[in-house]
Amino acid sequence: GAGVSQTPSNKVTEKGKYVELRCDPISGHTALYWYRQSLGQGPEFLIYFQGTGAADDSGLPNDRFFAVRPEGSVSTLKIQRTERGDSAVYLCASSFLPSGRAPYNEQFFGPGTRLTVL
Amino acid sequence: GQQLNQSPQSMFIQEGEDVSMNCTSSSIFNTWLWYKQEPGEGPVLLIALYKAGELTSNGRLTAQFGITRKDSFLNISASIPSDVGIYFCAGLRDSGYALNFGKGTSLLVTP
Repeated sequence: GAGVSQTPSNKVTEKGKYVELRCDPISGHTALYWYRQSLGQGPEFLIYFQGTGAADDSGLPNDRFFAVRPEGSVSTLKIQRTERGDSAVYLCASSFLPSGRAPYNEQFFGPGTRLTVL
Repeated sequence: GQQLNQSPQSMFIQEGEDVSMNCTSSSIFNTWLWYKQEPGEGPVLLIALYKAGELTSNGRLTAQFGITRKDSFLNISASIPSDVGIYFCAGLRDSGYALNFGKGTSLLVTP
């Protein structure tokens, strides 16, 4: 079956440019999450959507980062004025319901977009 | 967000050996999870734990939720080459949704 898909799989850009990363969640999943994984680290939470609204964007590192999910399905993570420190793998995950209560509503991860800022 | 402390950082073992790795936190989690990540892929859930002291198995994998709710361990018995990957622990708080991941344990298995 179709899992979470992310495009592009790789993105190389120059410092100062704008980039958009796309996530297609599993059909019917209401909750969507973005994480960032730096080399040698575990994923770190960026933002969580319930439906169309960003329920928690406390993990976004600064105001250069923004994400949308206008129709409650596909989401786009947008990074303005990219910096070399933004280089990482950006992972998207989705779950049928929010993961907060036991039993755990599993977050299914996509393969990620590897962003390299030169 | 907080990153959990995972050890060992890496393991290099022979096929057939048993493996043990653990994860600790300075704060309490109500759900502990173990994920595996292979190159070029996202993490995949292996085991979920919900109660302090709980011991759960999934095939050759066994994981335990620590009594203090601040730690967990994962054991893999009779390792095989396809066990190669990075194993992450993750904690989740009640009514939370942001997974707090460890830095991972990289496992290499030689035939």
